[in-house]
Amino acid sequence: QSVLTQPPSASGTPGQRVTISCSGSSSNIANNYVYWYQQLPGTAPKLLIYWNNQRPSGVPDRFSGSKSGTSASLAISGLRSEDEADYYCAAWDDTLSGHAVFGGGTQLTVL
Amino acid sequence: QLQLQESGPGLVKPSETLSLTCSVSGGSISSTSYNWGWIRQPPGKGLEWIGNIYYSGSTYSNPSLRSRLTISVDTSKNQFSLKLNSVTAADTAVYYCARVSCMVRGVCAQTPNIDSWGQGTLVTVSS
Repeated sequence: QSVLTQPPSASGTPGQRVTISCSGSSSNIANNYVYWYQQLPGTAPKLLIYWNNQRPSGVPDRFSGSKSGTSASLAISGLRSEDEADYYCAAWDDTLSGHAVFGGGTQLTVL
Repeated sequence: QLQLQESGPGLVKPSETLSLTCSVSGGSISSTSYNWGWIRQPPGKGLEWIGNIYYSGSTYSNPSLRSRLTISVDTSKNQFSLKLNSVTAADTAVYYCARVSCMVRGVCAQTPNIDSWGQGTLVTVSS
């Protein structure tokens, strides 16, 4: 199982706001930045959020990130059909000489 | 515009060595602001970080793969490479190479801040 824990699935209707959680520990999320990736079917992942809550150029402000303690969240407001994708959180983990860890991924369905 | 392209065999026999190369164009692999990384994704499963390398050759890797893994960089060719030995069916995956931004508050640090990805290449381990 993954070091970072995400719900396997989430869903919402167009226009709704959905959140995806990512739970970690003191060795990763609590003391390091969290990153979020969006993976559309059949494509490489795309960086959605960096440094907990920063959006790269071109990412709509409908996407927002937050972090508190050992957990982080990705929020998507004004849900659109094109947001249907897999979402992954990631962080650096300070154990075992340091390594990156991903969440198991959350499959978002737009109903 | 930065482009990353994975290349290597799509089929590897069990117990042999998986070798992939990532060719970088549109940017220098010797940049001091980036690491260069490998990530894989087994069919139908999630992402797994394999490791990062800096242009100087400094590496960080997944503890579960470390004993079988070699990541190297060739700055003269603007390429970096992955070798994973003693492979099994569990190593079957789409392998992505990527650029990893390392700058955090003005200091180059290890992060999973992957700002550019290759298209990925499927490597199947089977006899």
